Amino acid sequence: DVKVTQSSRYLVKRTGEKVFLECVQDMDHENMFWYRQDPGLGLRLIYFSYDVKMKEKGDIPEGYSVSREKKERFSLILESASTNQTSMYLCASMDYSGNTIYFGEGSWLTVV
Amino acid sequence: DAKTTQPTSMDCAEGRAANLPCNHSTISGNEYVYWYRQIHSQGPQYIIHGLKNNETNEMASLIITEDRKSSTLILPHATLRDTAVYYCIVRSSNNAGNMLTFGGGTRLMVKP
Repeated sequence: DVKVTQSSRYLVKRTGEKVFLECVQDMDHENMFWYRQDPGLGLRLIYFSYDVKMKEKGDIPEGYSVSREKKERFSLILESASTNQTSMYLCASMDYSGNTIYFGEGSWLTVV
Repeated sequence: DAKTTQPTSMDCAEGRAANLPCNHSTISGNEYVYWYRQIHSQGPQYIIHGLKNNETNEMASLIITEDRKSSTLILPHATLRDTAVYYCIVRSSNNAGNMLTFGGGTRLMVKP
């Protein structure tokens, strides 16, 4: 059974478009994360959120923003997509104790 | 925040034990060590986690050194399906919440 759901598995967008990547978890977790993954670079943290309306920058926040209006939903926003944002994006959620962490299946974004 | 260091790649013969090392020399007393693996094009899969004591589950064993500066993930009888990238991560805590900090990962190749 799927616990972290990413809305789109594969997307193709044009340079300059606004892009929304949605992530929903059904486990009532406080913490949610957005990563991107690129060959040779591993997983890099973009943003995370530890509560509704709270957000913190990760290691590579430039060019991204996030929204956490409801506890179960954490959105990643690319205000103006660029080709260097072509990547696989992974969402994760974690309860406060840190003992359960789940990842979504990933969203492959291509910006042309 | 504690960081982790892992070898870039390792090979293992099918049926033999795979021992994957991880260094986390700056780990603090309340931080857990987690292991995840990622098969191509999928989200990371949880394997095991621990704080001080060695842990074992149906997938693997986790050996943590007494000083907690390093750990080893052991897959007792590796199969071809265990070929994946294995991530050793340390759960960090700060005022903003619980971050997940990934190391570079080890690409394990299980060979017949």
